[in-house]
Amino acid sequence: GDSVTQMEGPVTLSEEAFLTINCTYTATGYPSLFWYVQYPGEGLQLLLKATKADDKGSNKGFEATYRKETTSFHLEKGSVQVSDSAVYFCALSPPFGNEKLTFGTGTRLTIIP
Amino acid sequence: GAVVSQHPSWVICKSGTSVKIECRSLDFQATTMFWYRQFPKQSLMLMATSNEGSKATYEQGVEKDKFLINHASLTLSTLTVTSAHPEDSSFYICSARVSGGDEKLFFGSGTQLSVL
Repeated sequence: GDSVTQMEGPVTLSEEAFLTINCTYTATGYPSLFWYVQYPGEGLQLLLKATKADDKGSNKGFEATYRKETTSFHLEKGSVQVSDSAVYFCALSPPFGNEKLTFGTGTRLTIIP
Repeated sequence: GAVVSQHPSWVICKSGTSVKIECRSLDFQATTMFWYRQFPKQSLMLMATSNEGSKATYEQGVEKDKFLINHASLTLSTLTVTSAHPEDSSFYICSARVSGGDEKLFFGSGTQLSVL
């Protein structure tokens, strides 16, 4: 079945550091790929998504590129801020729908001033 | 954006008791809601899909008689963990789907259940 393998945390970085959170997946066909973020005390929110190979999703300075050849969707940000501290989840869904999401374990990110 | 309210945020109960978790869509109608759980250091796993006015669809390996789901209105779904045991201790999250046009999922903030 489908699965998502995500970089284990926790990850602690200094403000303005470069961030990479690795995510690889196993799925049949061409799934849609997502990054969700959960800020303290809040629900998961969609951060960005990509629906086909070579697509780049971006939002709030974060980017992730759908790499079919390496089955990866790594999350990157060039300069993190304290407000980026949260738990980040990589996820996938079958093509043409986000109804049944398969999630990774989540990565807790802490940014220190 | 749309808000999904989930309560309680954490609960501690004795083994053998039942616990109810509520999930409400505050500013939209949700015909479909989803329930997930996450054990420590594991992935967030879909437990069941709940459609308003009909029986929930459970994922393989999830006991429907133990995890009772009620979706009686377009804004409320409840998950009741019956006769809870320590192995049911987990983080439970609901999500609600806005249908029509650009479909999106909105998540609750989760419930941490600890069964003693």
